[in-house]
Amino acid sequence: RKEVEQDPGPFNVPEGATVAFNCTYSNSASQSFFWYRQDCRKEPKLLMSVYSSGNEDGRFTAQLNRASQYISLLIRDSKLSDSATYLCVVTPQGGGNKLTFGTGTQLKVEL
Amino acid sequence: GAVVSQHPSRVICKSGTSVKIECRSLDFQATTMFWYRQFPKQSLMLMATSNEGSKATYEQGVEKDKFLINHASLTLSTLTVTSAHPEDSSFYICSAAGLAGASTDTQYFGPGTRLTVL
Repeated sequence: RKEVEQDPGPFNVPEGATVAFNCTYSNSASQSFFWYRQDCRKEPKLLMSVYSSGNEDGRFTAQLNRASQYISLLIRDSKLSDSATYLCVVTPQGGGNKLTFGTGTQLKVEL
Repeated sequence: GAVVSQHPSRVICKSGTSVKIECRSLDFQATTMFWYRQFPKQSLMLMATSNEGSKATYEQGVEKDKFLINHASLTLSTLTVTSAHPEDSSFYICSAAGLAGASTDTQYFGPGTRLTVL
């Protein structure tokens, strides 16, 4: 079983739509959680951290469910510029710098 | 924000040659640098972690004699792919973390190097 699993997509949505991505992780002792965004042939860029209480940054909302080992990302009012691959990332128990990446979920926002 | 550069951005080489990739932190001192590899439609996989002035720690399955890592200064780490073969063709990305002693430093990613071995 992969450490971090995501539906690869693609999710094709019209501009203005709301879209949600899910991610599950296998290690219950994982400590920190993030969503990264990766554009084609580019490096990943941190989108937001994910906290147990849930957190929001503009049109983006992230949720963490430790009991179900499940992370979600909700994007409201999708823009064309949101088209990218969204990577779910976790760090192991004890923290440290090691990041474990999911394979990513591809989003395509269309006119 | 912190900037990390990589050079070259793209390299095409013949099978059997060695390729060196540089990773530089431009405006901060990177105590730790990470090297990742990403094959098409796959996740980034950590290859090794390097701390300035010490030997790199390689992940399971990564050959240390094939992927030579040097972190000689707080702003530069190099990855050398020795005797490259077509299966080494991939997107190599470095990241740097800068706060000495902190356990959850933010990693700043370089733009990546696309290696194609013919």
